[in-house]
Amino acid sequence: ELKVEQNPLFLSMQEGKNYTIYCNYSTTSDRLYWYRQDPGKSLESLFVLLSNGAVKQEGRLMASLDTKARLSTLHITAAVHDLSATYFCAEPSTLIQGAQKLVFGQGTRLTINP
Amino acid sequence: KAGVTQTPRYLIKTRGQQVTLSCSPISGHRSVSWYQQTPGQGLQFLFEYFSETQRNKGNFPGRFSGRQFSNSRSEMNVSTLELGDSALYLCASVAGGLAFFGQGTRLTVV
Repeated sequence: ELKVEQNPLFLSMQEGKNYTIYCNYSTTSDRLYWYRQDPGKSLESLFVLLSNGAVKQEGRLMASLDTKARLSTLHITAAVHDLSATYFCAEPSTLIQGAQKLVFGQGTRLTINP
Repeated sequence: KAGVTQTPRYLIKTRGQQVTLSCSPISGHRSVSWYQQTPGQGLQFLFEYFSETQRNKGNFPGRFSGRQFSNSRSEMNVSTLELGDSALYLCASVAGGLAFFGQGTRLTVV
């Protein structure tokens, strides 16, 4: 059974600081997804990392993938309040008949204080 | 291009009742997946449909079922509701290995 683990699960930080969320996954999957979820809302796709060494950046967020270490990171630079949300990483699991399901981490609840 | 549409957005049901949730995927997408999100269990895969066929199902009891229509719209049904079925149910429209999620249906069982 695939397992995806994130840490930390809760993160409270001040505006302007940098921090990293870690996502460890259990297989040799060559892709990894990051989603953002605001309270009571759905999942918003942030990044799709498709190969080893992939790095993607959007604003103050940067995600990377190391398939050999089975590790993805989401780095937050100079945090601002608007980035407060829960962040999930997810690993695709190929099922029968070519279907895929996403196996999600527990989520990291990020709170950014002024 | 319209996104994934789920209806209703909110639902309150009584234990023992049944409920049907609907999901319209992005136009042209033939694969629809359903997920349940609860505070205790997180996000869990329910089932996946492609071209009106259920290809895979997660580890949920038989009370959870679904179907997909020829226009790719999907419904999921939960019978004999239990308090523990209270959750956010998310539908994903899948193509090219990418999953796009709808706004979800918040089901509360009382």
